[in-house]
Amino acid sequence: GAGVSQSPSNKVTEKGKDVELRCDPISGHTALYWYRQSLGQGLEFLIYFQGNSAPDKSGLPSDRFSAERTGGSVSTLTIQRTQQEDSAVYLCAIPMDTNYGYTFGSGTRLTVV
Amino acid sequence: QKEVEQDPGPLSVPEGAIVSLNCTYSNSAFQYFMWYRQYSRKGPELLMYTYSSGNKEDGRFTAQVDKSSKYISLFIRDSQPSDSATYLCAMSDLNQAGTALIFGKGTTLSVSS
Repeated sequence: GAGVSQSPSNKVTEKGKDVELRCDPISGHTALYWYRQSLGQGLEFLIYFQGNSAPDKSGLPSDRFSAERTGGSVSTLTIQRTQQEDSAVYLCAIPMDTNYGYTFGSGTRLTVV
Repeated sequence: QKEVEQDPGPLSVPEGAIVSLNCTYSNSAFQYFMWYRQYSRKGPELLMYTYSSGNKEDGRFTAQVDKSSKYISLFIRDSQPSDSATYLCAMSDLNQAGTALIFGKGTTLSVSS
């Protein structure tokens, strides 16, 4: 959606390869969230950033998953040694200004073959 | 038991029908309740936001929260084909930065003309 840009929109990778997903929010938002949406599983929280630090990374499913944020802006989610169960849509979100909801990006659809 | 339960459907209705979408939850601390609409291959967008119990109306949409029953609903009046989407409920317990929203799995709605 407006305010959050994610790239690539689609990514097909071979099992065992590393992938990097990018989230670029509009400026001025210190908070940033990553969620994963798997078929039949709904949205699962992965990690929360406040500025460049991640006070809550409790949702990362394994140590193959990592994320960073630089300059309080762009964030990257890296998945190492991808597995087929990593196939999902990865969504990035920022808090809305007017209430407590989120503005989501359109997501990156990851397919591991 | 998942924190938030939502019937995934699919739900198919004719144009003009009244649609009722529901979620139940187990955490009595939840105070902030939201409904998101997600079109195919798009990120979720906030549709309705409610704090604590009560009703909120916005055009053809009405959100209801019954905290005593831990049950929330979204009603769509005079449904239109453009309402065909996946509807996700979301909720949280704290109005603080970093509080991750907990989502239901989503209900897929199809409105036929």
